[in-house]
Amino acid sequence: GEDVEQSLFLSVREGDSSVINCTYTDSSSTYLYWYKQEPGAGLQLLTYIFSNMDMKQDQRLTVLLNKKDKHLSLRIADTQTGDSAIYFCAEIVGGTYKYIFGTGTRLKVLA
Amino acid sequence: SQTIHQWPATLVQPVGSPLSLECTVEGTSNPNLYWYRQAAGRGLQLLFYSVGIGQISSEVPQNLSASRPQDRQFILSSKKLLLSDSGFYLCAWSDGGRGSEQYFGPGTRLTVT
Repeated sequence: GEDVEQSLFLSVREGDSSVINCTYTDSSSTYLYWYKQEPGAGLQLLTYIFSNMDMKQDQRLTVLLNKKDKHLSLRIADTQTGDSAIYFCAEIVGGTYKYIFGTGTRLKVLA
Repeated sequence: SQTIHQWPATLVQPVGSPLSLECTVEGTSNPNLYWYRQAAGRGLQLLFYSVGIGQISSEVPQNLSASRPQDRQFILSSKKLLLSDSGFYLCAWSDGGRGSEQYFGPGTRLTVT
């Protein structure tokens, strides 16, 4: 079945690194995404990774992909208070135009 | 540049009343369009998506329906709202490439009383 799981909450101190984890189920997913949602707003794409990659780095963001375990993670270095938001991982179901989103992880950054 | 609009921004409706939420996209043609619902404390649930005019795929059987009367217009409707329909409704579009990013609208906060 199609299911993307995330832990619901994460709390870190400002300046520390945050690691948000995600487990997906569709092994044929070609792209995996991380989106950020600010309070009361829509989602914005943070970064994505193609399924033939193990890692992608984009400034403070590092995405790790373990295809064998169907595990995706997002690491935010030097976390700032402005990073407080809900983070969603998402996959696109192989052979379709359908995106499946995780439950979202609410990141709280403590000053 | 492309923009996506949703209205209304907020809506309070009584149980049993009808619903119509509208989403329009500007600056692109033949987009894939999506409706999601985000219930309080829960993730994003895909409700409907459309890859062309008149083509609607339903993901969750319930009292909601969707229509795409024009290329860049996507409407979410209900004949009779339930309390469980309360939530944050998000419209999104993508350019049709299978790996492409989704662009989200600002959302509509629906409260059914």
